[in-house]
Amino acid sequence: KAGVTQTPRYLIKTRGQQVTLSCSPISGHRSVSWYQQTPGQGLQFLFEYFSETQRNKGNFPGRFSGRQFSNSRSEMNVSTLELGDSALYLCASSFGQGSGYTFGSGTRLTVV
Amino acid sequence: QQQVKQSPQSLIVQKGGISIINCAYENTAFDYFPWYQQFPGKGPALLIAIRPDVSEKKEGRFTISFNKSAKQFSLHIMDSQPGDSATYFCAANQAGTALIFGKGTTLSVSS
Repeated sequence: KAGVTQTPRYLIKTRGQQVTLSCSPISGHRSVSWYQQTPGQGLQFLFEYFSETQRNKGNFPGRFSGRQFSNSRSEMNVSTLELGDSALYLCASSFGQGSGYTFGSGTRLTVV
Repeated sequence: QQQVKQSPQSLIVQKGGISIINCAYENTAFDYFPWYQQFPGKGPALLIAIRPDVSEKKEGRFTISFNKSAKQFSLHIMDSQPGDSATYFCAANQAGTALIFGKGTTLSVSS
């Protein structure tokens, strides 16, 4: 059974640019959550999508957005990149409420 | 405020010893308490989870102890091995809400 696939694995972007990250969940999982991981702040919740609808949203500025497609694949977009956006972005999928999350290996974003 | 506080930040344990990591939460509505293990270059992997209707859950060398009245839960790793060296995260949520993570504990098991 394939796990959660995140692409690309590494990205280097320039401040002010925008970036799109992709996540393919485990087959059958309808919930996709995104987290930002940094050494100082740990794992911070960005947003969760379930059946193409955003169900929960964390405390991040509007530059961070996401969407989910009918096949449950999800993308997140960060516009007007700042140096502080450098982080590991993790995607996690689950069947839905009350079930465990399975994480991908993440996308390492570096903003220069 | 929905926080999960984890301690210690780092831990060094001798091979064969017991590793203990503690977490405290504030929101009494939380009903799912998982622990995740993360190796460098990988995403967190679910290790073991507990719900508040039981006080302890054991899976192999890993045990969660849960104290509902104190709003605390802990991870015990028995017979710690060098391969257990990783970062461990506790987390909590209630159905329909985001999983909130502790800041993590870096465990080093010396041989």
